[in-house]
Amino acid sequence: SYVLTQPPSMSVAPGETAKITCGGNNIGSESVHWYQQKPGQAPVLVIYCDSDRPSGIPKRFSGSNSGNTATLTISRVEAGDEAGYYCQVWDKSPDQRVFGGGTKLTVL
Amino acid sequence: QVTLKESGPVLVKPTETLTLTCTVSGFSLNNARMGVTWIRQPPGKALEWLAHIFSNDEKSYRTSLKSRLTISKDTSKSQVVLTMTNMDPVDTATYYCARGIEVAGTEWFDPWGQGTLVTVSS
Repeated sequence: SYVLTQPPSMSVAPGETAKITCGGNNIGSESVHWYQQKPGQAPVLVIYCDSDRPSGIPKRFSGSNSGNTATLTISRVEAGDEAGYYCQVWDKSPDQRVFGGGTKLTVL
Repeated sequence: QVTLKESGPVLVKPTETLTLTCTVSGFSLNNARMGVTWIRQPPGKALEWLAHIFSNDEKSYRTSLKSRLTISKDTSKSQVVLTMTNMDPVDTATYYCARGIEVAGTEWFDPWGQGTLVTVSS
């Protein structure tokens, strides 16, 4: 089955840029979706179809996907961005939805 | 406004069957390209997809848990039900339901319910 690999954690200073990666075999041929989960809360969709933002998500959040790596980029990081971030794809063969292991982002 | 809410027992005993209900509002379970999925998250761990039901009643299950899971829907009640048999302490987790949106061969989940914590213990 398809495996998505994320770094378990990363830290960034306020105002800097965070790049959270999601690795998978030829993931560039898949559509990747990203979720933000703050402590004690349900996940929230922040990027869908590699780079589209749902309404209400700040433009600071962007996404890209090529080759074997998809990336969620958070510009001008704020304290409120501290959360877990998960990537997700739909693996058609077999028919499984797959999540990455998640990355905990710490804002210093 | 689309909302989903999970309900069910907070505590189940080992070997028992868990039944969870997801009640949706703001969309119909018959809407094309929309479905409902169940996802769980053990304490301190990652999200784990469990099962999905489409508007046409087509179902899919996590391969490793397929023998224990059943998903169904009652469109008139706007509810999706997940049952998991033979519960074990390792199944202790927060269980979420979420709306699945399918477009051009991909699917994402938005929004999610608040989740319900299920503890498996004797």
